[in-house]
This record gives sequence, structure tokens and C-alpha cells, in this order.
Amino acid sequence: KNQVEQSPQSLIILEGKNCTLQCNYTVSPFSNLRWYKQDTGRGPVSLTIMTFSENTKSNGRYTATLDADTKQSSLHITASQLSDSASYICVVSTGGYGNKLVFGAGTILRVKS
Amino acid sequence: DGGITQSPKYLFRKEGQNVTLSCEQNLNHDAMYWYRQDPGQGLRLIYYSQIVNDFQKGDIAEGYSVSREKKESFPLTVTSAQKNPTAFYLCASSVRQVPTYEQYFGPGTRLTVT
Repeated sequence: KNQVEQSPQSLIILEGKNCTLQCNYTVSPFSNLRWYKQDTGRGPVSLTIMTFSENTKSNGRYTATLDADTKQSSLHITASQLSDSASYICVVSTGGYGNKLVFGAGTILRVKS
Repeated sequence: DGGITQSPKYLFRKEGQNVTLSCEQNLNHDAMYWYRQDPGQGLRLIYYSQIVNDFQKGDIAEGYSVSREKKESFPLTVTSAQKNPTAFYLCASSVRQVPTYEQYFGPGTRLTVT
């Protein structure tokens, strides 16, 4: 069964600190992996997308890594800001006909001042 | 101003009533999608459409219906047959329905049925 599991479920950090969110997946076939940021009551917004051959992708203070062998990804947030408070969703695309997206449940991040 | 719009943002209905959620995009995308989001769960695909006048069921299509008469519009009807309709509904679109194209999401509609 295609699954995407994220940890932790929620996280509270102080403004200015770094944090790392984890994503493990069992999706086949694999096409790409995306990280989305979703503010409360809003639609998800894409942060990064990585294909099988990419190990790292950065977008400002966000850096995503992918280990296709162990089927793990992480999202590292550097020097957190209050505006980083959101849900971070890991999404894996199966590719092929239908291009199905398998969504993780998300990690809720709260940045405190 | 390009993007995806969903209306209304909040919707309240009585049990047994059908309700239609609006989704419009001016991105000239061929593919459009409807997802349902429940607390603590990942988004689940309800229906998708690769082209005008064509649509396919997703993983949880029971109790829902859609139409795609125009490229820009993909309305979702939540029927009285849907057992647990209260949820956050998200519409998305992409250039094509292939892995390399990103899906862009609308702001969502929160439906509450009592």
C-alpha cells in the first residue's frame, strides 16, 4: 500500500532556532517528492520538488533532502521565523498513468517568540 | 491576477441537502482536481479532470459529483449520499496531469453540515 508518514506530528520551537521534519514513504513507482507549506485555513503552497536523482534542494531558508535508497526525506528550516508557523506536508508522486499524489498527514510547526 | 479561486470560503448546510462548491482557474491549466482534507489525515483525491468534458473518480468519489464544461471551471457537488461531508475541500490545477507539472492549490472551502 502506498503510504507517506511524517514525524513529528507537531513541533514547537523558539524563533531563530533550526528544526528538521521527517518524511518516510513506501510509494511505488516513485516519480518525485514535494514539500508543501500550508497555513491554517489556506491551500498548500509548494516549497520544493525533487526527482529520484536529486539529493538536496533549497528554497531560501528551507532545505529538503532525499535518500531514495532508504525512502526518506527531510525538510530543514534554518533560523525560524514566526511566519514559518504552518503545517508542512510531504507528498510523493507515483508517476506513470494517473500521476497519483500520496499525501502525508503533515507536521504542524509552531514558532514562538 | 492569476490563480485559483474557490468560493465560498465557509459553507453551512443542513443534512440531506446537496451543495455545490465552486472552483475557477485562469492559469490555462488542462488538469483540475478536488481533494478533501480532514484533521490528522493527508489530502485525499475525490475527482480529477484531464481535459474539458472528461473526469475520473479518485479514491473517495462516493457521494460526490463533478462537471467540466469549461476549461476554467470544475465545480464539485456534495450530495446527500456523502456520509460525512463536513471537511475542508481543496481544488487544484496543473498544466497537464503528469508528474513533472506542479499542482497549484486554491484557498479552500470549509463545509459544515449539521
